Amino acid sequence: DGGITQSPKYLFRKEGQNVTLSCEQNLNHDAMYWYRQDPGQGLRLIYYSQIVNDFQKGDIAEGYSVSREKKESFPLTVTSAQKNPTAFYLCASSAGSGANVLTFGAGSRLTVL
Amino acid sequence: AQSVTQPDIHITVSEGASLELRCNYSYGATPYLFWYVQSPGQGLQLLLKYFSGDTLVQGIKGFEAEFKRSQSSFNLRKPSVHWSDAAEYFCAVGESNFGNEKLTFGTGTRLTIIP
Repeated sequence: DGGITQSPKYLFRKEGQNVTLSCEQNLNHDAMYWYRQDPGQGLRLIYYSQIVNDFQKGDIAEGYSVSREKKESFPLTVTSAQKNPTAFYLCASSAGSGANVLTFGAGSRLTVL
Repeated sequence: AQSVTQPDIHITVSEGASLELRCNYSYGATPYLFWYVQSPGQGLQLLLKYFSGDTLVQGIKGFEAEFKRSQSSFNLRKPSVHWSDAAEYFCAVGESNFGNEKLTFGTGTRLTIIP
């Protein structure tokens, strides 16, 4: 079945450490996205990519980095510069521009100890 | 900039009763509108979408929503809720010029179902 796989499901890290969240899709979608979800704040866009080797900052990109070397992969690195990284992270993809629907992964929960 | 308001943080409904979740948006042009549902600890699933045409749209699981341009609203309805409908519901708006790569979400409404 086609879909989006996020890993790990749960991740713990110490302050000052970088951590990378994996997102892989087999839907042959061109566009991929990373959202952050906090209680009571809905989803906020971190980064998005519409094509391989290109990506754009979303509303809350500070302290995060991404790469898009392959169409099916869009990893997110949470760096030590992110002041409040504990959150639920959601990866999504869509077929491309033109009002296409987002398909979401199951999410990764990051806790900073 | 586009924005979405879901005024109800939490709603409790009896099983079998009707449901309406409110969504108001702010956007200059014709918006693309979506409703998503999220079970605890999971990703989001699309319930329905509005792009153009008939302002009453049908979705999965018996849900429907009505686009009212004059009220800038896109409320979600269901005539009779089931216990399995307990979840969090998100309304979202996308830019019509560039598709949905700049999708903006509301803060969500948590739905509790009582027997």
